[in-house]
Amino acid sequence: DVKVTQSSRYLVKRTGEKVFLECVQDMDHENMFWYRQDPGLGLRLIYFSYDVKMKEKGDIPEGYSVSREKKERFSLILESASTNQTSMYLCASSSPSGYGYTFGSGTRLTVV
Amino acid sequence: QQQVKQSPQSLIVQKGGISIINCAYENTAFDYFPWYQQFPGKGPALLIAIRPDVSEKKEGRFTISFNKSAKQFSLHIMDSQPGDSATYFCAAPPLTGNQFYFGTGTSLTVIP
Repeated sequence: DVKVTQSSRYLVKRTGEKVFLECVQDMDHENMFWYRQDPGLGLRLIYFSYDVKMKEKGDIPEGYSVSREKKERFSLILESASTNQTSMYLCASSSPSGYGYTFGSGTRLTVV
Repeated sequence: QQQVKQSPQSLIVQKGGISIINCAYENTAFDYFPWYQQFPGKGPALLIAIRPDVSEKKEGRFTISFNKSAKQFSLHIMDSQPGDSATYFCAAPPLTGNQFYFGTGTSLTVIP
């Protein structure tokens, strides 16, 4: 069964901490994405990557960075966590055609 | 600019009834329109998708209807069941790249 695995289901971090969210996919997909999901706002794209060491800003990149050193792994970094970054974070991957995303189960991050 | 507009935000349907969720798109590509289903605590999962060379696609109780002239597509859930209670997202392809545009989601509750 193909999978996108996010390392943590729940995280609680303090304001100002540097936070790493990890995502691994086993489908050999080129495309990987990070979204945040908030009530009433749907899925908002933070960053995406089409290849190793490649990254592109999405709609809301401020306060975030990403790393893709290996094809299967895409990390989201919150440089200095703030309370307005409390959210559900979803990682996804897709084949080069882009059709049919596979999502992870999400990481619910709370910044206190 | 919002490429995909989804309505309603929430929907309550009696068991056995028909659930209808609508999406309108603009400034997108025109080759593949998927719907995703998300249960609480899970990431979205691909439910059904349509290519606009057809006006309708049916899979079991789920049907996508596509209206090219109106730039709209909708999800119909026939004989709705309590197990269909979930959040549903529509998506539309970008003009360039693979990062799909998502609607804001519809929370469906099917009452027994």
